[in-house]
Amino acid sequence: NAGVMQNPRHLVRRRGQEARLRCSPMKGHSHVYWYRQLPEEGLKFMVYLQKENIIDESGMPKERFSAEFPKEGPSILRIQQVVRGDSAAYFCASSPAQGSEQYFGPGTRLTVT
Amino acid sequence: QKEVEQDPGPLSVPEGAIVSLNCTYSNSAFQYFMWYRQYSRKGPELLMYTYSSGNKEDGRFTAQVDKSSKYISLFIRDSQPSDSATYLCAGGTANAGKSTFGDGTTLTVKP
Repeated sequence: NAGVMQNPRHLVRRRGQEARLRCSPMKGHSHVYWYRQLPEEGLKFMVYLQKENIIDESGMPKERFSAEFPKEGPSILRIQQVVRGDSAAYFCASSPAQGSEQYFGPGTRLTVT
Repeated sequence: QKEVEQDPGPLSVPEGAIVSLNCTYSNSAFQYFMWYRQYSRKGPELLMYTYSSGNKEDGRFTAQVDKSSKYISLFIRDSQPSDSATYLCAGGTANAGKSTFGDGTTLTVKP
């Protein structure tokens, strides 16, 4: 049973470009979460999605960031007009139900030059 | 004040020691708690999930939750050099998706 998959693993973008991060949850999981981790810091919640619905986006910056989890295909975290402060590791997690254990993917390391 | 607090360490122990990792939290609505192990530049690996108060054991790992004092612990028995990593605790409520994480405790187990 494959775990949570994320791609790309590493992404380099110049300031002002767009970054698209993809996450495929574990088989049978319909709940997806995105977290950001800055160097030497813990995981910060960004957004929680179920298929075709954003349930909680309280941790998402109001501008430039968006997320989706379509009926078919992976969840996408999109960052428009990236700035250097967006450089971080972005982790996706999935769970079989709300409030149950969350399993993390390997992360996408975004570097903005 | 952060919702979940962890002593950042670093914590260094000899191989075979019992390790105690601790977190405190402020949100009395938290119902479930998780412990993760994270190696450098890797994704967090779920070690333990517990719901409400009490103890849970899995192999060398024991998780304890004391909701009355808002204190959670992870014990590692017979620690190994391969346990050297950062350990993250987290809490959340069953009717919400988000989990709140501590900043992690760095553990080194010396051979």
